[in-house]
Amino acid sequence: DGGITQSPKYLFRKEGQNVTLSCEQNLNHDAMYWYRQDPGQGLRLIYYSQIVNDFQKGDIAEGYSVSREKKESFPLTVTSAQKNPTAFYLCASSIEGGPYNSPLHFGNGTRLTVT
Amino acid sequence: QKEVEQNSGPLSVPEGAIASLNCTYSDRGSQSFFWYRQYSGKSPELIMSIYSNGDKEDGRFTAQLNKASQYVSLLIRDSQPSDSATYLCAVNRDDKIIFGKGTRLHILP
Repeated sequence: DGGITQSPKYLFRKEGQNVTLSCEQNLNHDAMYWYRQDPGQGLRLIYYSQIVNDFQKGDIAEGYSVSREKKESFPLTVTSAQKNPTAFYLCASSIEGGPYNSPLHFGNGTRLTVT
Repeated sequence: QKEVEQNSGPLSVPEGAIASLNCTYSDRGSQSFFWYRQYSGKSPELIMSIYSNGDKEDGRFTAQLNKASQYVSLLIRDSQPSDSATYLCAVNRDDKIIFGKGTRLHILP
């Protein structure tokens, strides 16, 4: 079955360490996205990518980095520069972006806890 | 003004009644509108997408879009306890999709 796989489901890190969250999709979607969700809050866009080897900052990109070397993969690195990294991270993909966006399909999320 | 605004709730609706969820958005150029349902601790799942003014029905769900008023709503008919969740409104801003904070819906048995 096609879908989006995020791993791991839970991740624990010490403050000051970089950590990379994995996101893989086999839906053949062009666009991929990373969102962050804090308790009781909506989703905030971190980074997105419309095509391979290209990505754009979202609304809260500071302290994060991404790469898009393959169509299927869009890993997110949470760096030590991110001041409040503890959150629920959601990866999503869509057939394509643009003004008439197709709907997002979400992975199951990674819950990151930094202490 | 927030880009996508929703009443946070909780909205309590008796089982079998109609639940009405509302969303306003600030960008007049938005063309794509979505409703997602999110259960606690889970990822969002798509309920409806709508791109044109008017109503769009899918089973017990009806999405309503009024671009002139910058307003999109979701009606849930014959509400069931399993509909208790947070409902997220999402709108495109250029080539990005932006979410509201969600409305918590509680269906009373």
